[in-house]
Amino acid sequence: AQKITQTQPGMFVQEKEAVTLDCTYDTSDQSYGLFWYKQPSSGEMIFLIYQGSYDEQNATEGRYSLNFQKARKSANLVISASQLGDSAMYFCAMRERSNYQLIWGAGTKLIIKP
Amino acid sequence: DAGITQSPRHKVTETGTPVTLRCHQTENHRYMYWYRQDPGHGLRLIHYSYGVKDTDKGEVSDGYSVSRSKTEDFLLTLESATSSQTSVYFCAISGVDRENTEAFFGQGTRLTVV
Repeated sequence: AQKITQTQPGMFVQEKEAVTLDCTYDTSDQSYGLFWYKQPSSGEMIFLIYQGSYDEQNATEGRYSLNFQKARKSANLVISASQLGDSAMYFCAMRERSNYQLIWGAGTKLIIKP
Repeated sequence: DAGITQSPRHKVTETGTPVTLRCHQTENHRYMYWYRQDPGHGLRLIHYSYGVKDTDKGEVSDGYSVSRSKTEDFLLTLESATSSQTSVYFCAISGVDRENTEAFFGQGTRLTVV
């Protein structure tokens, strides 16, 4: 069974609009971490934001925020006021206390239109 | 940016030849990982290391071996390259191997086996 599911293979968004990238996860651990990474066309993997399973508040980092709904097992990435430079692949990943290996979703390709 | 260097960045090799990819870090992090990235699969863990000479297998370790003789270097070897090992390979590092710790990635190595 997939542990990390990203249901949107690709998205087109108008510049300056907000965008939400979906991520659902499956784990029986009580303690786990959720991560989002950005991969631009140049290929590097850039860490964006982290949410811990015990964090009561949604994580925020600049224009990035994480809409964490624990009961629904979802950890959606929200990018406010999108920019052309946000065009990239975005990956959701999880680490569980029982298994520290990062488990990855298949990614969402985001294209920002001018 | 985390100090992680992968070499080579690009390589074309023939089926049946051995290939070694190098990952070098300047962060003195204990944990190092090798992933491969293929379309539709996100990243998959090949091997990881939790210290000098301490390594373990990941999800897709068949056909790969690793060595870590120094904290800063983690080598990935394809014993006899096959076309199915054509992929982009990423090295990552992490200070601790916990559910709340992000990993930082190198720039990737694009390997083509012909």
